[in-house]
Amino acid sequence: AQSVTQPDIHITVSEGASLELRCNYSYGATPYLFWYVQSPGQGLQLLLKYFSGDTLVQGIKGFEAEFKRSQSSFNLRKPSVHWSDAAEYFCAVEPTSGGYNKLIFGAGTRLAVHP
Amino acid sequence: NAGVMQNPRHLVRRRGQEARLRCSPMKGHSHVYWYRQLPEEGLKFMVYLQKENIIDESGMPKERFSAEFPKEGPSILRIQQVVRGDSAAYFCASSPPVWAGDETQYFGPGTRLLVL
Repeated sequence: AQSVTQPDIHITVSEGASLELRCNYSYGATPYLFWYVQSPGQGLQLLLKYFSGDTLVQGIKGFEAEFKRSQSSFNLRKPSVHWSDAAEYFCAVEPTSGGYNKLIFGAGTRLAVHP
Repeated sequence: NAGVMQNPRHLVRRRGQEARLRCSPMKGHSHVYWYRQLPEEGLKFMVYLQKENIIDESGMPKERFSAEFPKEGPSILRIQQVVRGDSAAYFCASSPPVWAGDETQYFGPGTRLLVL
């Protein structure tokens, strides 16, 4: 069965420090890959997505992610975290067979930022 | 271009009542998805609809839950005889038609359902 693993439930970083959030997936082929961010009490905002092509993807708010097929990973990075980045981050995959499909989400990583 | 609209944003129901959640997709979008987020958990897929058709309802409980996306008007997620375990945030997402070449799902702000 397809699944998404975000190994880190909580991460705390200092403002200005670099950030990497991990995401691994289980799927027979290369799925479509997404990172979403959710602020408390809010909906999900798309940060970036990977469909094909260049494996390093740039997103909004200074985030980027790298798809590594050999590791079935799609880790999210930011070189310098801002206090406003404190939120919950969800990795999601969409199977690519049979047209449009549901998204399968990881459990999320909650990011806290210390001043 | 307005985003995905959901209403109400908050809904309180007593056990045994019905809950109706509404979702208006982004303009020009023809695919609607419903997801449920239980407290402290990720989102779980419930149902995928196109206009007047349910495409995939594999994540929806077989009893008490139903969804529709009529030719005119918003998509509706209906929960009959709610129980405390239905308390959750329900998110709707929409995506463009096939010819747009973009399968990205864009999410609404969610409806927080509390069952007393």
